[in-house]
Amino acid sequence: EAQVTQNPRYLITVTGKKLTVTCSQNMNHEYMSWYRQDPGLGLRQIYYSMNVEVTDKGDVPEGYKVSRKEKRNFPLILESPSPNQTSLYFCASSFGGSQPQHFGDGTRLSIL
Amino acid sequence: AQSVTQLGSHVSVSEGALVLLRCNYSSSVPPYLFWYVQYPNQGLQLLLKYTSAATLVKGINGFEAEFKKSETSFHLTKPSAHMSDAAEYFCAVRATNTGNQFYFGTGTSLTVIP
Repeated sequence: EAQVTQNPRYLITVTGKKLTVTCSQNMNHEYMSWYRQDPGLGLRQIYYSMNVEVTDKGDVPEGYKVSRKEKRNFPLILESPSPNQTSLYFCASSFGGSQPQHFGDGTRLSIL
Repeated sequence: AQSVTQLGSHVSVSEGALVLLRCNYSSSVPPYLFWYVQYPNQGLQLLLKYTSAATLVKGINGFEAEFKKSETSFHLTKPSAHMSDAAEYFCAVRATNTGNQFYFGTGTSLTVIP
């Protein structure tokens, strides 16, 4: 089954404790992306990647890191999380930057 | 930078009535345009995509959207609302001439009244 898998689905942690949210897709997609969803703000793009070893900043990259060492994986790293990063995060992938994206089920992060 | 405006954060319609969800974009060059739907506690699913092949785009579940360049709009419609249409709807754009970044609207929550 074609899917984008995010882990964990839920995480409560404390300020400053490094965390990684994993994202994996099994569709051989080149384009992968991370979004955060906040009430009243819709989805905002954090980072995206056009292919392996190619990443670019989206609208809200501050406080986040990404890497794309393999085509299928695109982890999101919060090196020193802060409460304003409490949000619902989505990973998505597509065959190209102009194609419809397939979304994961989301990761709800709470930073205390 | 691109921007996407969805007028009306909440829309209520009666079951069987017309659904109209509005989306306007800011771009001098028509972008790639998408509508997504999000059901509670789920990720986003594609409803339809504008490919420039036709101005009226048909999607899943009876939804369609019309691209109007003169109005920079891509409104989503469905002739007859069903209870199962209750969800959050997002319009999204990606510029065709600058970069590979996606921009989403703030979403419209659709309530269907029995």
